[in-house]
Amino acid sequence: IQLTQSPSFLSASVGDRVTITCRASQGISSYLAWYQQKPGKAPKLLIYAASTLQSGVPSRFSGSGSGTQFTLTISSLQPEDFATYYCQQLKTYPLTFGGGTKVEIK
Amino acid sequence: EVQLVESGGGLVQPGGSLRLSCAASEFTVSSNYMSWVRQAPGKGLEWVSVIYSGGSTYYADSVKGRFTISRDKSKNTLYLQMNSLRAEDTAMYYCARDLVYDSRGYHDYWGQGSLVTVSS
Repeated sequence: IQLTQSPSFLSASVGDRVTITCRASQGISSYLAWYQQKPGKAPKLLIYAASTLQSGVPSRFSGSGSGTQFTLTISSLQPEDFATYYCQQLKTYPLTFGGGTKVEIK
Repeated sequence: EVQLVESGGGLVQPGGSLRLSCAASEFTVSSNYMSWVRQAPGKGLEWVSVIYSGGSTYYADSVKGRFTISRDKSKNTLYLQMNSLRAEDTAMYYCARDLVYDSRGYHDYWGQGSLVTVSS
């Protein structure tokens, strides 16, 4: 199953509302996760099962969608949110990740 | 605090072998789904393998037949045996504990990574 993220690069300002899209090549129900990765660090789980916020993750992060279209929304971008974001499907093995969306400071 | 510490990475020649270890603290490896994920330099994430608490294993097509995931209950450690290594296996390898929800393992705790470089 292929995952296509858009955009691949995003320039935004602190306080902006940011939306990242992940499209699956076939239906994956709600078996989708979102991860955040900062340079030189391991990824961090933000959202699982498409819309469930992982413990300890700020509520400005939210996920939605099912089937083939999913979104990650950051309601008010904070300085610590500048990072690369990946979606991952867990419907079928082999598991696959999207290509990533790099969020940079405008 | 849950902790995962990888070791065993390094420089290896094409065709060679390497075994990565992932030592766990504050939870039991054999009672959890555990995964390996890799990231080539400057590239995105690639899932490699998973081992279920029951022992079932799954692999990415790119490593199937060459890599083997396993665990040692007495050492509370996860392993990835990598044989017939290729240049395209060069990557940072992360181990992860999986949060199981609706029978799916979401990677909720990650190690710091172990760098594998395959080059002559």
